Amino acid sequence: AQKITQTQPGMFVQEKEAVTLDCTYDTSDPSYGLFWYKQPSSGEMIFLIYQGSYDQQNATEGRYSLNFQKARKSANLVISASQLGDSAMYFCAMREGQANDYKLSFGAGTTVTVRA
Amino acid sequence: SQTIHQWPATLVQPVGSPLSLECTVEGTSNPNLYWYRQAAGRGLQLLFYSVGIGQISSEVPQNLSASRPQDRQFILSSKKLLLSDSGFYLCAWSVHGGTDTQYFGPGTRLTVL
Repeated sequence: AQKITQTQPGMFVQEKEAVTLDCTYDTSDPSYGLFWYKQPSSGEMIFLIYQGSYDQQNATEGRYSLNFQKARKSANLVISASQLGDSAMYFCAMREGQANDYKLSFGAGTTVTVRA
Repeated sequence: SQTIHQWPATLVQPVGSPLSLECTVEGTSNPNLYWYRQAAGRGLQLLFYSVGIGQISSEVPQNLSASRPQDRQFILSSKKLLLSDSGFYLCAWSVHGGTDTQYFGPGTRLTVL
């Protein structure tokens, strides 16, 4: 079964607007971590934000915030005030179990195109 | 600060030829190291990971092998490439403990003809 599901293959957003990228996950482990990465056309995977399963507050990093809804097993990424440089593919990933479990499961990704 | 290097950046190889991709990390000691493959327009597939020198775990049975001859060096190899080995290969590192956040290199785009 898919551990990470990203249902939006592609999205368009107007510059300066906010965009929400959906991510749902599947795990029975009470301890896990959720990650978002950005992959521009150059190919490099850039770490954006992390949310631990026991974190009480939603993670934020600059214009990125993670809308963590534990009961729904949802970890949506919100990008505020979109910029042209935000055009890229975005991947949601999960680490199950305690830290040092090493393996990340990645979703299929969502392509975001920011329009001027 | 930590940096991760991969080379070559691009590679075109004939079927049946050998392969060696190299990854090195600077600015950290005893990192966990990972090799991923990404098919065009797809997510990442973990191939190998290593928690120390000479310690390699394989996630997917395949035509590839990995080695870690030094603390911050990770090598992906093949004796005979297949067409299906084409893809984008990414190396990543993480620190022991913490959140297991993985940081990726620039990748190698491999085309097998």
